[in-house]
Amino acid sequence: DVVMTQTPPSLSVAIGQSVSISCKSSQSLVYSDGKTYLHWLLQSSGRSPKRLIYQVSNLDSGVPDRFSGTGSQKDFTLKISRVEAKDLGVYYCAQTTHFPPWTFGGGTKLELK
Amino acid sequence: EVQLVESGGGLVQPGSSLKLSCVASGFTFSSYNMHWIRQAPKKGLEWIALIYYDSSNKYYADSVKGRFTISRDNSKNTLYLEMNSLRSEDTAMYYCAEGAYWGQGTLVTVSS
Repeated sequence: DVVMTQTPPSLSVAIGQSVSISCKSSQSLVYSDGKTYLHWLLQSSGRSPKRLIYQVSNLDSGVPDRFSGTGSQKDFTLKISRVEAKDLGVYYCAQTTHFPPWTFGGGTKLELK
Repeated sequence: EVQLVESGGGLVQPGSSLKLSCVASGFTFSSYNMHWIRQAPKKGLEWIALIYYDSSNKYYADSVKGRFTISRDNSKNTLYLEMNSLRSEDTAMYYCAEGAYWGQGTLVTVSS
């Protein structure tokens, strides 16, 4: 199975700051169709996860452009610009290239400084 | 609006069975592959099962293979997870998901 490693495990941020979260996979996530199935999800406190970004850099409907995803092959980054209080929670990267199983990173908890 | 609503969770003893349901609305359920994903208390996300849109293929995590069965009824827009031989390590919030959309989850607690 593909192992997804997220860093850091937690981040303290002030409102208005920018942050980046790293996600590295144990194998290249480029599928045979040329696409890369690396996604980012946010789980706010007490809520179910919500997908924010799919295929590395595509924002889901309603996700503000303060969120951006970059990366390729085995190395990916989620950047949040001008953090707002509603952005707090646990962020997960997930891969569906080498499926099954769908594998997730361990999560990065974004908290207020 | 897309909605996925799980039900059927509860407190059960080790070795017992439980069947979860997930009712979908707001999208063409019969056109989408569906997943069950679980989250143990204070832990991360674990994918456990996938069923194709037409039930032609089903896949399971090794941790549940042989004990859990995923199924669906497209006429009822409903996804199921039948869980047998439950263990304490199956204690978790169980989510149904399409990929972009997740339900609110149903809690399964396995304890004597």
